[in-house]
Amino acid sequence: QQQVKQSPQSLIVQKGGISIINCAYENTAFDYFPWYQQFPGKGPALLIAIRPDVSEKKEGRFTISFNKSAKQFSLHIMDSQPGDSATYFCAAKGNTGKLIFGQGTTLQVKP
Amino acid sequence: SAVISQKPSRDICQRGTSLTIQCQVDSQVTMMFWYRQQPGQSLTLIATANQGSEATYESGFVIDKFPISRPNLTFSTLTVSNMSPEDSSIYLCSVDAGHTGELFFGEGSRLTVL
Repeated sequence: QQQVKQSPQSLIVQKGGISIINCAYENTAFDYFPWYQQFPGKGPALLIAIRPDVSEKKEGRFTISFNKSAKQFSLHIMDSQPGDSATYFCAAKGNTGKLIFGQGTTLQVKP
Repeated sequence: SAVISQKPSRDICQRGTSLTIQCQVDSQVTMMFWYRQQPGQSLTLIATANQGSEATYESGFVIDKFPISRPNLTFSTLTVSNMSPEDSSIYLCSVDAGHTGELFFGEGSRLTVL
């Protein structure tokens, strides 16, 4: 019930390409779905987040797509850049306030 | 947003010793959390630090091993007690910014236990 499953574990994309990371959850009480970006030696930084009342949210090159019926959400990084190379975590939160994280995806964008 | 400072940023410790990690926030926050990130792994919630009362621990984590204090709305400490090499991890403090629901993280404290 508390799991958030993330895939793929790692991803290699050419510069300018689209990076897509997927997550699935089980607990229908989750109502907040953020994505975090983490660089080596740093804490996770909030990238973009969505609530289940919308199906898509876009901020710059980053888009979250949300499918409430399938209990899935994904992160799309358009025009991927080498500076986007990092580990990305999806997460979910319900009314307890506690964030449950996915397993993480290591993204490498090749120049 | 909230600015979170953690100390120490990293440390090398001997087996059997204990280390206390401090988390200072630049504004009063309601909820503070402590997470552990083992090497190459995701983040696992250790406990919720409650102001004025005992912390609420997640399954698999106990107060004797990870005592937590939260004396006020801007500060918390996590102690890793009687450390073993398996405790080598990054320990992260996180705070809820309030009405937005966003959680912000400190830079983490990287512990290596020899």
